[in-house]
Amino acid sequence: GQSLEQPSEVTAVEGAIVQINCTYQTSGFYGLSWYQQHDGGAPTFLSYNALDGLEETGRFSSFLSRSDSYGYLLLQELQMKDSASYFCAVREGSQGNLIFGKGTKLSVKP
Amino acid sequence: DVKVTQSSRYLVKRTGEKVFLECVQDMDHENMFWYRQDPGLGLRLIYFSYDVKMKEKGDIPEGYSVSREKKERFSLILESASTNQTSMYLCASSLEGSSYEQYFGPGTRLTVT
Repeated sequence: GQSLEQPSEVTAVEGAIVQINCTYQTSGFYGLSWYQQHDGGAPTFLSYNALDGLEETGRFSSFLSRSDSYGYLLLQELQMKDSASYFCAVREGSQGNLIFGKGTKLSVKP
Repeated sequence: DVKVTQSSRYLVKRTGEKVFLECVQDMDHENMFWYRQDPGLGLRLIYFSYDVKMKEKGDIPEGYSVSREKKERFSLILESASTNQTSMYLCASSLEGSSYEQYFGPGTRLTVT
């Protein structure tokens, strides 16, 4: 079957670093995407990893290990506005749709 | 900027009614998707389309149908609404070959009573 596992909730303080993990088991794998969704808002694309390694975009980084079926999103210098839900999503095929995890709700405290 | 719009932000319908949810994107994207989002379940794919007049079933197509007569418009149809279809419905689009980067509309909160 297909499954993506990520923690349901994470809490961190402003200025800290937080890592949100995602493990997956899918029939096909082309890459791992990350999305952010604020309460009441639409999901927005953050990053995509097709190859092993770390991709950095400002304060956010995303990592993929295909051999371990594992990835993570790293958020540095946390700000209050980073409080949101974060979803990992597997791209199953070259033209395939995404399979989303259930999301991790990040709460950033002052 | 990519803009994906959905016809209604909130919608209340009665059980058994036929419901149409419309989605329009303005960036000439080939791919369009319909999801529903429920607390604790994440986003689940209902249907998607890679081209005009083309559709593919997602993970939960039962009770839904779709229509794509024009490239920019993708409609979700609930043939006979039921209370278990009360949910947030999200439309998304992406370029061909780039389904990893989808652009979402604001969503329609549908309540079926």
